[in-house]
Amino acid sequence: EAGVAQSPRYKIIEKRQSVAFWCNPISGHATLYWYQQILGQGPKLLIQFQNNGVVDDSQLPKDRFSAERLKGVDSTLKIQPAKLEDSAVYLCASSLAGSIDSPLHFGNGTRLTVT
Amino acid sequence: SQKIEQNSEALNIQEGKTATLTCNYTNYSPAYLQWYRQDPGRGPVFLLLIRENEKEKRKERLKVTFDTTLKQSLFHITASQPADSATYLCALSGGSYIPTFGRGTSLIVHP
Repeated sequence: EAGVAQSPRYKIIEKRQSVAFWCNPISGHATLYWYQQILGQGPKLLIQFQNNGVVDDSQLPKDRFSAERLKGVDSTLKIQPAKLEDSAVYLCASSLAGSIDSPLHFGNGTRLTVT
Repeated sequence: SQKIEQNSEALNIQEGKTATLTCNYTNYSPAYLQWYRQDPGRGPVFLLLIRENEKEKRKERLKVTFDTTLKQSLFHITASQPADSATYLCALSGGSYIPTFGRGTSLIVHP
């Protein structure tokens, strides 16, 4: 099966600019996650979707971050305006079901550098 | 506050030896614990899941233990190979149904 696809692979922007990341999950996977991974740390959940509804976005900085999942398939994560501390790898993951024993399948991420 | 602890120092071992990585947690009651492997520039890859009522789980050269009394999981790789060199992440799932990750431990297997 095809894996989780993410683009772009790398992005460099200046602070206060905006940026968007795209994710295409594995076909048939109802649950989609966006994680932020800062260098040397583990992935931190930003938002979880079940189909096209938000399950948890408690750790999403909503003043600058937004995410949507249209038609319950692809998803985009946007940052506007970006800050220096947003420099990180943004990982998208999907799972077959939303149950807590479903393994997550990750994409290779988008590495964002904010200068 | 909830905390997941994995050794921040890299584990260096010789090829053929058993690597043992530790995941400790506090203020958590996870029903499941997962281990992932992450290579540089790549996303984490799922390896094993163990449930709270399971003491041990095996898959080929991998073995995971889960002690809910000690609040600890051990991850073993037997007969380690240089290709096993990577960062290994543990993730807990509990009532929130959202896997929460530790920072990972880097394993370096020397030939």
